[in-house]
Amino acid sequence: QVQLQESGPGLVKSSETLALTCTVSGGSISSRYWNWIRQPPGRGLEWIGYVFYSGSTYYNPSLKSRVTISIDTSKNQFSLRLSSVTAADTAVYYCARDIGDTYYYGMDVWGQGTTVIVSS
Amino acid sequence: SYELTQPPSVSVSPGQAASITCSGDKLGDKYSCWYQQKPGQSPVLVIYQDTKRPSGIPERFSGSNSGNTATLTISGTQAMDEADYYCQAWDSSTKVFGGGTKLTVL
Repeated sequence: QVQLQESGPGLVKSSETLALTCTVSGGSISSRYWNWIRQPPGRGLEWIGYVFYSGSTYYNPSLKSRVTISIDTSKNQFSLRLSSVTAADTAVYYCARDIGDTYYYGMDVWGQGTTVIVSS
Repeated sequence: SYELTQPPSVSVSPGQAASITCSGDKLGDKYSCWYQQKPGQSPVLVIYQDTKRPSGIPERFSGSNSGNTATLTISGTQAMDEADYYCQAWDSSTKVFGGGTKLTVL
């Protein structure tokens, strides 16, 4: 079955850019919608944005000015870049796949999550 | 911006039914889904498209959505169901999560 694995630096300096990659295994990335979600320590979930296999994207308006999500179908990967990070961006970052062929039913496959700490 | 409101906590005795609500303006006009998250683990989708269960999710999990409220019901609650539960919906421009409900089975 499809599995997702996040990778990237666990420590990012304040004001710099956070960059993470999600590798898809057990299936093709060339369909469906692919998402990034984060969870600050002890808090709830926040959706960051999605990328469709065609490359089209949609971002959370609250993060839109700092977020870029891209996809590389040749590597079966999609990526997140979040610029000008602050301590408020410290969180567990998850990648996830939308169920079915839409972006509004729910996300049925999640990565294990990767912790990113923003240091001053 | 759109908001989804959940009770912070719900308690239930083993074997009893647990209901967790999620409220939002005209939520019934949107598709809702529910995630279960246990400590240190990734969320797991337990209900999608209001009422559907992904494969592998026990039949005791069910969902409904009408008016301004979506409800996750766990019938015959088991100790293994103790977890945080999050509702989620799409509102025109963003996926929105509720604040989460801690389900305690005692």
